Amino acid sequence: DTGVSQNPRHKITKRGQNVTFRCDPISEHNRLYWYRQTLGQGPEFLTYFQNEAQLEKSRLLSDRFSAERPKGSFSTLEIQRTEQGDSAMYLCASSLVVKTSGYNEQFFGPGTRLTVL
Amino acid sequence: KNEVEQSPQNLTAQEGEFITINCSYSVGISALHWLQQHPGGGIVSLFMLSSGKKKHGRLIATINIQEKHSSLHITASHPRDSAVYICAGHNAGNMLTFGGGTRLMVKP
Repeated sequence: DTGVSQNPRHKITKRGQNVTFRCDPISEHNRLYWYRQTLGQGPEFLTYFQNEAQLEKSRLLSDRFSAERPKGSFSTLEIQRTEQGDSAMYLCASSLVVKTSGYNEQFFGPGTRLTVL
Repeated sequence: KNEVEQSPQNLTAQEGEFITINCSYSVGISALHWLQQHPGGGIVSLFMLSSGKKKHGRLIATINIQEKHSSLHITASHPRDSAVYICAGHNAGNMLTFGGGTRLMVKP
């Protein structure tokens, strides 16, 4: 198993363009998380999936952001009409949740660094 | 106000020094991750703990549930330990709330 992978690793786009990022979690991990990290700050939660169901979205996730995990495996995060404030590192993590109680270690991908010009 | 607060924000040490990074958290957080992030962005999980103490090599993590405080210690620090160290709290929904990170530089 190669861990969590994300593509692309870097994306430079012009303001107003749409971008899409992909995350491939560790096989058999049923939970997938998206986070955003701006320069010099800790990551912030955006949304997460349990299998294909999107269970929670942060208020940071404006209407321009949409995430999907159609078959409960890989996930995509799309940003429409990008703004300069969207420039950040977008991190994906996955975990295997076998019971609702307890705490499950999250494994992080390398991130996609987005620069909006 | 962030539910997870770290200190210090920046730390410079000489090789060999003992290093401590602190993390305080609020009600509703019952377990903590300690994470390491190198330049370029990749995040590695170091520890996840909800009580007591864990040790891995030169790294030691402790947590005091009553005081809602955790510490990460690095013994015999080395320049390769230079990174950003982040503590993140698990809430009841098993989601993480992150501290702002501590940028550590260990000089030879």
